Amino acid sequence: DADVTQTPRNRITKTGKRIMLECSQTKGHDRMYWYRQDPGLGLRLIYYSFDVKDINKGEISDGYSVSRQAQAKFSLSLESAIPNQTALYFCATSDSTGGANRGNTIYFGEGSWLTVV
Amino acid sequence: AQKITQTQPGMFVQEKEAVTLDCTYDTSDQSYGLFWYKQPSSGEMIFLIYQGSYDEQNATEGRYSLNFQKARKSANLVISASQLGDSAMYFCAMRRPMGGYNKLIFGAGTRLAVHP
Repeated sequence: DADVTQTPRNRITKTGKRIMLECSQTKGHDRMYWYRQDPGLGLRLIYYSFDVKDINKGEISDGYSVSRQAQAKFSLSLESAIPNQTALYFCATSDSTGGANRGNTIYFGEGSWLTVV
Repeated sequence: AQKITQTQPGMFVQEKEAVTLDCTYDTSDQSYGLFWYKQPSSGEMIFLIYQGSYDEQNATEGRYSLNFQKARKSANLVISASQLGDSAMYFCAMRRPMGGYNKLIFGAGTRLAVHP
């Protein structure tokens, strides 16, 4: 089983609809992230959270919101989806305390393919 | 500007041979980290190997090794004994500290095809 689990893995939704992508992790990491990947643009950070009470905007937060329900759960919402939000979305985690020998490596989930039509 | 450059859009290698994927980086930070990730066609992003800027020895993880040349600002990934399952997109990334957050900067990626 994956350590970082994203649901749904694939979703097609209509313009204007609200959609939530959920992420849960069993790695025990304190930090969680949401990225999106677009062809030719690489990965861009949407939001990140250092702990349940600490949520921060990333490079491209407009049109998105997040909720850190617990240390292990971090969800991303598109309140009113638009076609240019069609992308591959990744949840990720890192450990601020015990990961120094791995450079506080960021571990990614399996990705959620979102298509907005 | 902080930047990662992967100059090889595509590479191919014969099964069981070794292949080197190039990565150069640009940073003025003294402390940084370099990572390689693998992305198969199914989409997941898999962590492969890490090299810290102060590490004196090249990192190795199984068939993966990182050829770190700090003066040249290069961090090439070497895959030994290539397997068909190694066919994927490979991304080099750099971590730099930004306040309390470690920002990851990704390169554009190299698509590797392993031929039987």
